[in-house]
Amino acid sequence: DAKTTQPPSMDCAEGRAANLPCNHSTISGNEYVYWYRQIHSQGPQYIIHGLKNNETNEMASLIITEDRKSSTLILPHATLRDTAVYYCIVHFTNSGYALNFGKGTSLLVTP
Amino acid sequence: NAGVTQTPKFQVLKTGQSMTLQCAQDMNHNSMYWYRQDPGMGLRLIYYSASEGTTDKGEVPNGYNVSRLNKREFSLRLESAAPSQTSVYFCASRPWGSPLHFGNGTRLTVT
Repeated sequence: DAKTTQPPSMDCAEGRAANLPCNHSTISGNEYVYWYRQIHSQGPQYIIHGLKNNETNEMASLIITEDRKSSTLILPHATLRDTAVYYCIVHFTNSGYALNFGKGTSLLVTP
Repeated sequence: NAGVTQTPKFQVLKTGQSMTLQCAQDMNHNSMYWYRQDPGMGLRLIYYSASEGTTDKGEVPNGYNVSRLNKREFSLRLESAAPSQTSVYFCASRPWGSPLHFGNGTRLTVT
């Protein structure tokens, strides 16, 4: 699996957009970008994933650059409940692969 | 649907004791994973099972053994617990082409 690089921490004001970057310069053609978040010490929760097109769901938007070497997770109107650690990982969609997480980005949303 | 169920939720062991962490999923997923998370750290993969009957080492397998008992269950065993194994352990599962589903974790303290 391609390795990813994320900033260790970020701040965002409540109500503003939170833009979380992720670099994955060694991503291969069939690897997807997945984002998860972990609130407090709960089990991580899936947010969104994509291959090369931008994706949007009820939780967030995912913007993947044309060369696929980086992506940005966008929380359009951050709330205090979005304070969490956000993980970006890349992997094939097949089931049989090791899925390695890094340390993620700790996002603090402030009032 | 219970999703991914981990037992126990909390455990305290003395150095040298053994125990087995249980994980079961009721979603008919092929792949299952064990991660550990230390304070301020990300998730580190211990072992994974791509499908029933197969297991593979992850990043930090030393001191652990696993058993994929059937498609539903994937257990993690500590044969001789050490203080360095104090951690929160997460089990996860996923089917082909879909995101990971995590359990709520087992908080293990080794004294």
